[in-house]
Amino acid sequence: GAVVSQHPSWVICKSGTSVKIECRSLDFQATTMFWYRQFPKQSLMLMATSNEGSKATYEQGVEKDKFLINHASLTLSTLTVTSAHPEDSSFYICSARPTGTAPYEQYFGPGTRLTVT
Amino acid sequence: RKEVEQDPGPFNVPEGATVAFNCTYSNSASQSFFWYRQDCRKEPKLLMSVYSSGNEDGRFTAQLNRASQYISLLIRDSKLSDSATYLCVVNEGSYDKVIFGPGTSLSVIP
Repeated sequence: GAVVSQHPSWVICKSGTSVKIECRSLDFQATTMFWYRQFPKQSLMLMATSNEGSKATYEQGVEKDKFLINHASLTLSTLTVTSAHPEDSSFYICSARPTGTAPYEQYFGPGTRLTVT
Repeated sequence: RKEVEQDPGPFNVPEGATVAFNCTYSNSASQSFFWYRQDCRKEPKLLMSVYSSGNEDGRFTAQLNRASQYISLLIRDSKLSDSATYLCVVNEGSYDKVIFGPGTSLSVIP
């Protein structure tokens, strides 16, 4: 149980275009989902916390107008990178916390590798 | 000071060796602690939680020292398959979010 999927697993796009990444909890409901970004040889950095039915909470330094998050259902959150630039190329990983579980319980998706040319 | 710091590594050890990783955290209100393992280009996977009394899972032993704000992971009888990056992760109590350390890379050599 507790499987999280991401789609796409990798994407290459041109500078200036937008890319949408989906995060789904397959066998549980998740009121809260998290979006992380990981640059090569660096650790995961939390970008934002996504709560179903409300606005996401962004970490300091993360542009909310550039990284649009929508958590419209208990099993799906989406991250849209708008007007992508080469510096947005990174490994984007989501995690989902089963509804009603402890704050620290998270299950990670397999990640999406974004390359902006 | 960073919120979570780890040994910079990398650690290159022969098969069968014992290796220890250290981690310190800055927020004394932190409540929950974990070790994750991340293979290259993959998502992190939970290795074990860390309890105040210390805990062991096979060849892996985790220790927590709240007074010193220090966490450790000991791996005995290293296997080639243990090669990965080990991430120290701290949850700050009432908040949902967890903080990842920078990771320590381990390579187990035949």
